[in-house]
Amino acid sequence: DAGVIQSPRHEVTEMGQEVTLRCKPISGHDYLFWYRQTMMRGLELLIYFNNNVPIDDSGMPEDRFSAKMPNASFSTLKIQPSEPRDSAVYFCASSLGPYNEQFFGPGTRLTVL
Amino acid sequence: AQSVTQPDIHITVSEGASLELRCNYSYGATPYLFWYVQSPGQGLQLLLKYFSGDTLVQGIKGFEAEFKRSQSSFNLRKPSVHWSDAAEYFCAVGLPNFGNEKLTFGTGTRLTIIP
Repeated sequence: DAGVIQSPRHEVTEMGQEVTLRCKPISGHDYLFWYRQTMMRGLELLIYFNNNVPIDDSGMPEDRFSAKMPNASFSTLKIQPSEPRDSAVYFCASSLGPYNEQFFGPGTRLTVL
Repeated sequence: AQSVTQPDIHITVSEGASLELRCNYSYGATPYLFWYVQSPGQGLQLLLKYFSGDTLVQGIKGFEAEFKRSQSSFNLRKPSVHWSDAAEYFCAVGLPNFGNEKLTFGTGTRLTIIP
C-alpha cells in the first residue's frame, strides 16, 4: 500500500479564494482524521470520520471550513473563503480503529497571502 | 481541566547519550497513551502505545516508555540516541471510557542531536 496520500503537497493562494485539500486513506481503514498543525497551536484535530460518516467536527474552527468523505477512499477539506490565519500544515490520517495506529499522510502546506 | 503536558519544548542531547522525554496527563481515569515522532517535513509515526498490562512498553527504533500511575506520567526513553533520532516527539492520550474516540496531542518536544 502507498500509505495515506494527500494532495496538493503545497498550496499558495490569496485571501478570499477557495482551497480544497484532498486525502486518500489506506484501503480498509475505517477511520479518517483531519489535523491542522501550526507553531502557535500545535497539532489540532479538526474532524474525524468513521465509515465515511463525520463523527466529531467540534475542532473545525468556523463555518468557512467543511469536510466530506463521499466514499471510503476519498476525503476533502475545503476552506471558503480562505484567510491568512488559515496558513498551516494540514494532515490527513487513517486507522483501522479509533485507538489503532494512525497513519499520517505527508501533509499539505497551505499558505494564504 | 483534562490535559496532556510535555514540559520540555526543546532538548539537546549528544549522540550516544541516553534520552528521556517527559509526558504528564491530567485525567480522572487512566487513558490510553501514545508516543508519536515527526521527522522534518513528514507526518507523524507511531513509536509505541500503552493500553494496559506491563507498564514498560517497547516500541520501534529502540524506544521504550514507562507508565507510572502514581505520577500520571508516560515518559519516553532511549539508552543511546543516534543522529537520525533528531525529530519532534509527541505524547498523545485517548479516553476510551468517555465515548471519545479522539486523541489529544501534547505540544511536542523537539530533539536536537549534537555530535
